[in-house]
Amino acid sequence: EVQLLESGGGLVQPGGSLRVSCAASGFTFSSFAMYWVRQAPGKGLEWVSGISGGGGSTYDSDSVKGRFTISRDNSKNTLYLQMNSLRVEDTAVYYCAKGTRPTPGTSHEHWGQGTLVTVSS
Amino acid sequence: DIQMTQSPSTLSASVGDRVTITCRASQTIDNWLAWYQQKSGKAPKLLIYKASRLESGVPSRFSGSGSDTEFTLTINNLQPDDFATYYCQQYIGYSCSFGQGTKLEIK
Repeated sequence: EVQLLESGGGLVQPGGSLRVSCAASGFTFSSFAMYWVRQAPGKGLEWVSGISGGGGSTYDSDSVKGRFTISRDNSKNTLYLQMNSLRVEDTAVYYCAKGTRPTPGTSHEHWGQGTLVTVSS
Repeated sequence: DIQMTQSPSTLSASVGDRVTITCRASQTIDNWLAWYQQKSGKAPKLLIYKASRLESGVPSRFSGSGSDTEFTLTINNLQPDDFATYYCQQYIGYSCSFGQGTKLEIK
């Protein structure tokens, strides 16, 4: 059974940094692209970042480009999102999701339960 | 960037009804479109991929159609469990984007 478990969310001040993680199990982690999607309170889904199965290719939305970095450690079956220069508008539940092939540009067939990041002074 | 526009934003319907949600892309995306269902406080769930392919385990009352820039999600014989928010997503490029969502409410 595919399982994705996010962690690392919390309260951070504007301008601060935070790293969230997603521990994966139940599938061959390195064989699939992975993604981060966020949802601000009461709002819709916003795609954030994607990474290829091998980790060599990454893609970011314009809203986070230059501030957030997606990465993965295939030896630990873990996906990361390093968030720097955080803004109040980055407050959201952050979901990790699994793709359907090694290259990004796929539907998101499994999702974690999400971790809440709150940016506030 | 490809913009996805869903309509309507809110839809009221009754158990047993047939409903249709529309999603339009700002440029052609062939059939690289997925539909998701999200219930309050829960993660989204994949319903349909490649515009019309039903994800394993999803009831057959859900169906998708369309190509290029216009797509629809149809739910036949609405069940109480179907009242939720639905999102379309394009994934033609390596960067994806979602529609703003359609909330399906009980009339």
